[in-house]
Amino acid sequence: DGGITQSPKYLFRKEGQNVTLSCEQNLNHDAMYWYRQDPGQGLRLIYYSQIVNDFQKGDIAEGYSVSREKKESFPLTVTSAQKNPTAFYLCASSIVEDSPLHFGNGTRLTVT
Amino acid sequence: GQQLNQSPQSMFIQEGEDVSMNCTSSSIFNTWLWYKQEPGEGPVLLIALYKAGELTSNGRLTAQFGITRKDSFLNISASIPSDVGIYFCAGEYSGAGSYQLTFGKGTKLSVIP
Repeated sequence: DGGITQSPKYLFRKEGQNVTLSCEQNLNHDAMYWYRQDPGQGLRLIYYSQIVNDFQKGDIAEGYSVSREKKESFPLTVTSAQKNPTAFYLCASSIVEDSPLHFGNGTRLTVT
Repeated sequence: GQQLNQSPQSMFIQEGEDVSMNCTSSSIFNTWLWYKQEPGEGPVLLIALYKAGELTSNGRLTAQFGITRKDSFLNISASIPSDVGIYFCAGEYSGAGSYQLTFGKGTKLSVIP
């Protein structure tokens, strides 16, 4: 079955450590996205990528980094520079930029 | 950036009742999307609307793209317990070399059996 896989489901880290969240899709979608979700908030865009080896900052990119070395993979690194990293992180993909997004099931990151 | 106002923020309804929620914006959109998110899961696309005035149904769900292109509503008829979740609207604008997808803050729906 085609889909988007995020791993792990839950992640715990100590403050000051970098952590990388995985996102893999086998939908052959060109575009991939990372969103952050906080309670009572809408989805806020961190980074997006329209094509391999290219990505753009979203609305809240500070403290995050990404790479897009393969079409199917778009890992997100939450660095120690991110002031409030505890959140639910959602990866999404779409066929092209202006087609509906399909989401993974998220990774809940807790930093203490 | 573009802002979306989604209301109501939360709803408590009896099983069997109809539900209505909406999103409004001061900006126009080319596409309106409605998603449902269940606890601990990612949002799932329910309905996509591509044309002003368009009315689309998906089972008990009906959504409309406002004629001004600045609003959309989602109706759920005869609610059932599995309708529980957070419903998000999203407006998409693309044109003149720019692209923007904006999400509302969600409507949390609780259904009382």
